[in-house]
Amino acid sequence: AQSVTQPDIHITVSEGASLELRCNYSYGATPYLFWYVQSPGQGLQLLLKYFSGDTLVQGIKGFEAEFKRSQSSFNLRKPSVHWSDAAEYFCAVGPFSGSARQLTFGSGTQLTVLP
Amino acid sequence: NAGVMQNPRHLVRRRGQEARLRCSPVKGHSHVYWYRQLPEEGLKFMVYLQKENIIDESGMPKERFSAEFPKEGPSILRIQQVVRGDSAAYFCASSPRQGNYSGANVLTFGAGSRLTVL
Repeated sequence: AQSVTQPDIHITVSEGASLELRCNYSYGATPYLFWYVQSPGQGLQLLLKYFSGDTLVQGIKGFEAEFKRSQSSFNLRKPSVHWSDAAEYFCAVGPFSGSARQLTFGSGTQLTVLP
Repeated sequence: NAGVMQNPRHLVRRRGQEARLRCSPVKGHSHVYWYRQLPEEGLKFMVYLQKENIIDESGMPKERFSAEFPKEGPSILRIQQVVRGDSAAYFCASSPRQGNYSGANVLTFGAGSRLTVL
């Protein structure tokens, strides 16, 4: 069975500092990996996704994620955090040929940004 | 061009009452998904509907839960005789076609409805 673990429930960083949100997955085949962000009062928005190719993926809002097959990880990074990045972040995994109903989500990481 | 609209955003019910959650998909989208997020857990798929049809309800609890997506109007997730364990955030997402991964970036989520059962 596929699963996603986001080990950090809550992370606090200062504005301008770098950020790394961890995501570990368990999946029997080649995974299709996603990061979503939910800002307060908003729906989940897709930040980036990865299936194949370059293991470093660029997304919107200056985010990037690196796929490491040997570590079963897909960590999200940003070099310099802005106050508007305060939100909840979800990692998700699923089969490439499947559908949205087969997505498995992590439990989320809540990011607080200090001024 | 509004996104997915969910209401109510917050709903409080006492045990045994009914909860109705509504989801209006993006205009032109005919596929709707409902997900549930229990406290400290990830979103979990509940049901997938197209207009007037339930395509996949494999994630739905067998009793008390039902969903519909009528020809006109929003999709409705209905929970009868709510219990404390139903307290959760319920998210709706819509897609203009069957949500395979090539269409993942057109899967639009709503902001969720948070149900609290007293």
